[in-house]
Amino acid sequence: NAGVMQNPRHLVRRRGQEARLRCSPMKGHSHVYWYRQLPEEGLKFMVYLQKENIIDESGMPKERFSAEFPKEGPSILRIQQVVRGDSAAYFCASSARPDSYEQYFGPGTRLTVT
Amino acid sequence: RKEVEQDPGPFNVPEGATVAFNCTYSNSASQSFFWYRQDCRKEPKLLMSVYSSGNEDGRFTAQLNRASQYISLLIRDSKLSDSATYLCVVGGQAGTALIFGKGTTLSVSS
Repeated sequence: NAGVMQNPRHLVRRRGQEARLRCSPMKGHSHVYWYRQLPEEGLKFMVYLQKENIIDESGMPKERFSAEFPKEGPSILRIQQVVRGDSAAYFCASSARPDSYEQYFGPGTRLTVT
Repeated sequence: RKEVEQDPGPFNVPEGATVAFNCTYSNSASQSFFWYRQDCRKEPKLLMSVYSSGNEDGRFTAQLNRASQYISLLIRDSKLSDSATYLCVVGGQAGTALIFGKGTTLSVSS
């Protein structure tokens, strides 16, 4: 029973490049959440998606960040023109139903911007 | 006031000790409460949900006081493997984002 899968686990980008982070939810889960953990900080919510829909993007920075969860394939968090301040661990979580309180986390992608 | 506040610690205790963590939250409309565990910046793992009636899972006991907006976690008979960061987590309605505290670090030594 595979858990939430994220890739790559580690990603290094130079300033100005694009970063694409992928998340495959647990089998049977259709709700995906993205969180960011900056160094020495707690996890912060970014965006909540269901298949083909963005439900809540209140935590997403207004510029350079976007997310999608297509009908087929993983959810993608895209960061354009990365800056050093984007260096963080990005965690994806999934849940089975909209009425589920529990979220299960993937291993995260550690993004380093040089 | 931060949405979820925890004492960052670190708590350094010997094996076998009992340790208690506290957490307060600011949104009185919060509906779901959890303790997660995070090891060395790996992914958070759900330790237990927290209910007003209190709940116990082996050496771990969690309590929720809605009136005081206060959550606690008690760990009895600490083991070396309990060393980790414990995250107090609060949610709104089901399916909404979780709000994380910054975590309390526990170090158990032999």
